[in-house]
Amino acid sequence: GAVVSQHPSWVICKSGTSVKIECRSLDFQATTMFWYRQFPKQSLMLMATSNEGSKATYEQGVEKDKFLINHASLTLSTLTVTSAHPEDSSFYICSANRGPPGSPLHFGNGTRLTVT
Amino acid sequence: GIQVEQSPPDLILQEGANSTLRCNFSDSVNNLQWFHQNPWGQLINLFYIPSGTKQNGRLSATTVATERYSLLYISSSQTTDSGVYFCAVTLGNTGNQFYFGTGTSLTVIP
Repeated sequence: GAVVSQHPSWVICKSGTSVKIECRSLDFQATTMFWYRQFPKQSLMLMATSNEGSKATYEQGVEKDKFLINHASLTLSTLTVTSAHPEDSSFYICSANRGPPGSPLHFGNGTRLTVT
Repeated sequence: GIQVEQSPPDLILQEGANSTLRCNFSDSVNNLQWFHQNPWGQLINLFYIPSGTKQNGRLSATTVATERYSLLYISSSQTTDSGVYFCAVTLGNTGNQFYFGTGTSLTVIP
């Protein structure tokens, strides 16, 4: 079945530093990937849609300069949290459709970011 | 934007009991998925069900798109069913982004 790999699974960083999270589709090509954020005991909030070879599409209220997304190949999207602050501490999860738009989503295992 | 509400928000069941989880959405949708998030945060795809009824073992789901709701049935619940259940939808007139519901936190006690 479709597998989406996310790395790292957890990371602790100091305030002001940047953190890069990778999302790979292991057995299929994904022209589109999605990045979600989840705070404790809350639902998943869509942050942005990552488009291979073009700019990401950000949801309203998400700072594009803070959350840099790069989708340089059909199997890799990266999310960089720039100048991280404690309020950026959260669970970040990527996902991808295997198939046409709207087809079932497959998720990575998520990255737990803690900013001290 | 679309509102995706799930009920109940919290549910505690005795092992072996049955339950029904509900997902209501405020706009027409193209697709709907049900997920189970385990205590480690992992999201497991349960059903891809834009309409109709599907069954997989002890779980089944029904979506009535015209009435804007979906139901997830869990029968003979087990402790391993504990976790949070989410429905997620794509809108009828936008791209393929899935938007998540508010979730139902299920605890199954032995």
